[in-house]
Amino acid sequence: QITLKESGPTLVKPTQTLTLTCTFSGFSLSTSGVGVGWIRQPPGKALEWLALIYWDDDKRYSPSLKSRLTITKDTSKNQVVLTMTNMDPVDTATYYCAHTGGGYISYWGQGTLVTVSS
Amino acid sequence: EIVLTQSPATLSLSPGERATLSCRASQSVSSYLAWYQQKPGQAPRLLIYDASNRATGIPARFSGSGSGTDFTLTISSLEPEDFAVYYCQQRSNWPSPFGGGTKVEIK
Repeated sequence: QITLKESGPTLVKPTQTLTLTCTFSGFSLSTSGVGVGWIRQPPGKALEWLALIYWDDDKRYSPSLKSRLTITKDTSKNQVVLTMTNMDPVDTATYYCAHTGGGYISYWGQGTLVTVSS
Repeated sequence: EIVLTQSPATLSLSPGERATLSCRASQSVSSYLAWYQQKPGQAPRLLIYDASNRATGIPARFSGSGSGTDFTLTISSLEPEDFAVYYCQQRSNWPSPFGGGTKVEIK
């Protein structure tokens, strides 16, 4: 059974750095073809890919946010960490962690709402 | 970067009716397109992958078609639990954007 769970702050101040951790089980991020990524959804709006990391440490970033994002993995801990710098109120969203085996997302975390406010 | 445009933005239908949702890509994505369903307060759920393949456990009333730039999700007869927001997503290349969504609401 594959599960993913996001953890991190629910409130950050403008200009701060957000660090989110995805802890997963039921699969290994050292298995060929497997990736774990982050997707966000502002309230009432559409889904947006942020970043994706593959089993071989290949990393992909949203072109519009690339300068602010870093994704890393710790295979031994079954964790993927996303950092986003210089947070702004427009970054207020639910952030999802997700498993992908071929580009589509079969497994999602429950999501965590991050609010950016002073 | 490929852009996915979904239409209509909102579809107002009654239970038992047929729903037809459209997703258009700004350039060909071959058959590398998926559909997701999202209900309020929940994460999305994969319905269809590679344009026409139902994901595990998805009822047969959901079907997908299309290739290249034009895709359709059809719900043959709406059940009460089908009223939700639907998103398309392509995996032809990175980034793999989602469409803006179609809300299927009760008329």
